[in-house]
Amino acid sequence: DSGVTQTPKHLITATGQRVTLRCSPRSGDLSVYWYQQSLDQGLQFLIQYYNGEERAKGNILERFSAQQFPDLHSELNLSSLELGDSALYFCASSAQSYRAGELFFGEGSRLTVL
Amino acid sequence: DQQVKQNSPSLSVQEGRISILNCDYTNSMFDYFLWYKKYPAEGPTFLISISSIKDKNEDGRFTVFLNKSAKHLSLHIVPSQPGDSAVYFCAASAGYDMRFGAGTRLTVKP
Repeated sequence: DSGVTQTPKHLITATGQRVTLRCSPRSGDLSVYWYQQSLDQGLQFLIQYYNGEERAKGNILERFSAQQFPDLHSELNLSSLELGDSALYFCASSAQSYRAGELFFGEGSRLTVL
Repeated sequence: DQQVKQNSPSLSVQEGRISILNCDYTNSMFDYFLWYKKYPAEGPTFLISISSIKDKNEDGRFTVFLNKSAKHLSLHIVPSQPGDSAVYFCAASAGYDMRFGAGTRLTVKP
């Protein structure tokens, strides 16, 4: 158990819909990362927050947005969903305050868009 | 935007032999490199890391080598065990940005 909690574990929805994925980092970790893993693909970096502020941005689509709340949990919002958005979405947290260090990953949220 | 590449999707080795997993990167700003291991239905877990100021880091059966001039790193597992069978991801970071390769599926045969 990494200490990172992601909900929901599985989600099935239709094209055009909007979903929210939630992540609770390890206790004490201020940094949260979001990654997308499509079929047979590596982990694509989406976005990173440190103590509520966005610090790094990767290949995140404009239809996607994220935020980190004062209690440090984070949400990834995916809108106008397309079939290609079907993937496993991982959240990770880190204790490092000045850089990406060892990341602790949740078990992922599997999104299926039909 | 493949800044971190793992060109071998899979690797199969015999138990007790050495496993060598390779990774290449393109961004010279990366200064910290990590390997993660992933079992099915689980998130990746940290295995070993190396700073750009070093060229080797060892932890038990696992050793990571970094060749900065070639922008290449490798993970050696000696001896390989069946429980090592998993997908291995290479990662590289610069500041808060951490990028991952596509992974190599290692199978260790008894």
